[in-house]
Amino acid sequence: AQKVTQAQTEISVVEKEDVTLDCVYETRDTTYYLFWYKQPPSGELVFLIRRNSFDEQNEISGRYSWNFQKSTSSFNFTITASQVVDSAVYFCALQTGTASKLTFGTGTRLQVTL
Amino acid sequence: DAGVTQSPTHLIKTRGQQVTLRCSPKSGHDTVSWYQQALGQGPQFIFQYYEEEERQRGNFPDRFSGHQFPNYSSELNVNALLLGDSALYLCASSSPGTSGKREQFFGPGTRLTVL
Repeated sequence: AQKVTQAQTEISVVEKEDVTLDCVYETRDTTYYLFWYKQPPSGELVFLIRRNSFDEQNEISGRYSWNFQKSTSSFNFTITASQVVDSAVYFCALQTGTASKLTFGTGTRLQVTL
Repeated sequence: DAGVTQSPTHLIKTRGQQVTLRCSPKSGHDTVSWYQQALGQGPQFIFQYYEEEERQRGNFPDRFSGHQFPNYSSELNVNALLLGDSALYLCASSSPGTSGKREQFFGPGTRLTVL
C-alpha cells in the first residue's frame, strides 16, 4: 500500500522567512513519482513539481526548491523568502506502478503574514 | 488554452437525492480522474476514465459511478446521497503518454453540500 505523511498540519511564518514543508512517503514499488500541489483558498490544485524515483537531483525553481532523499523516503519542499501570496495548503502526492491515481497526504497549511 | 472546467461550482442537495457533476478536460487530454476532498483532508481518489471506460477505482461504494464521453468529458454520479458525501469534488485530466505517469491538472472543483 502507498502512504504519504505530512506531519506539519499548519505553519505560520513572517514574510521573507524561509520555510520547509516535510513529506514522507511509503511504497514498495521501485518506480514511482512524487508531486507537490498548491491549493489556494479558491480550491483549485495547482501543480508545482513532479519527480521520478530514479532522479534524486534536487531542483530549484525561483524561490522554490525540492530535496528528494530516497534513503529517508522524503521529498521536502522549501520556499525561500516567503511572501503573503504563498499562503495556501500544500499537498505532497505519490503515484506508483502502472496506476496513475495520486495518493495525497493530508496537507500543510502555510500562513505567511506581514 | 482552457484548463479543466467543472460544473456546477456549488450544489446543495438533501439526503437520498442523486447528483451529477460534470468535467471537461484540458484540451488534448484523454484521461479524467475524480477525487473527493473532505474538509481539512487531502483528496481521495474515486475513479479514473480512459477511452470511455473506468480504468481504475478507489475505495468508494457503488453509489459513486461515472461516465466518459467520446469528447473525453466526464460525469460523476452519486446516488442516495449521505451527509458524509459533503465535500469538494475535484476533476483532474492528464495528457496522452507512454507510461501513464503523467501530471494531473485539476479543475476548480464542485462543492457539494448534503443537508
